[in-house]
Amino acid sequence: AQTVTQSQPEMSVQEAETVTLSCTYDTSESDYYLFWYKQPPSRQMILVIRQEAYKQQNATENRFSVNFQKAAKSFSLKISDSQLGDAAMYFCAYRSPNAGTDKLIFGTGTRLQVFP
Amino acid sequence: EAGVAQSPRYKIIEKRQSVAFWCNPISGHATLYWYQQILGQGPKLLIQFQNNGVVDDSQLPKDRFSAERLKGVDSTLKIQPAKLEDSAVYLCASSLVRLAGRYEQYFGPGTRLTVT
Repeated sequence: AQTVTQSQPEMSVQEAETVTLSCTYDTSESDYYLFWYKQPPSRQMILVIRQEAYKQQNATENRFSVNFQKAAKSFSLKISDSQLGDAAMYFCAYRSPNAGTDKLIFGTGTRLQVFP
Repeated sequence: EAGVAQSPRYKIIEKRQSVAFWCNPISGHATLYWYQQILGQGPKLLIQFQNNGVVDDSQLPKDRFSAERLKGVDSTLKIQPAKLEDSAVYLCASSLVRLAGRYEQYFGPGTRLTVT
């Protein structure tokens, strides 16, 4: 069974600085999808960025980028030019294309605080 | 485009009582998910529907939880009788198609259930 691990329960960053959130996963599959979701206090999960495992190029969405290391099974999120609105829980998630289900397997999350 | 709607936002019940949550997915989305998010954990899939059929309910505690999506649109998740460990946020999500990783799962704001 696949597992997702986020080893940083909390992180903090100063506004306009850069922060990196870590995620590792365990799988025996060669093809899969990885995601970072943001969950503000409103509780609504918002997709930040996705990565297909067959793509070697790291995904980028504006100030958000990932460092995908397939061999190391590592998928970190870098937030550049941090803003106060980035403060939230961040969840790393895995999805298998082969399981017959679309379920997302989530890590335990990292709480990001942004200080002015 | 309207997002995923859920009600109620909050619910407090005593153990052994019953409770029901409602979800209305994004218009046209055939796939609907219910996730349970216990405090300090990532969401865990309870059940996935494709139209009004069940795709995956392997992690649904069927002795007390039930869910339906009768007309392939709205869905109801019920707990009867509730236990203290059912205290959690219940998230509903929807997506356009199944088994297509590039199609995003859109989440609702969730229902926070407290069982006393």
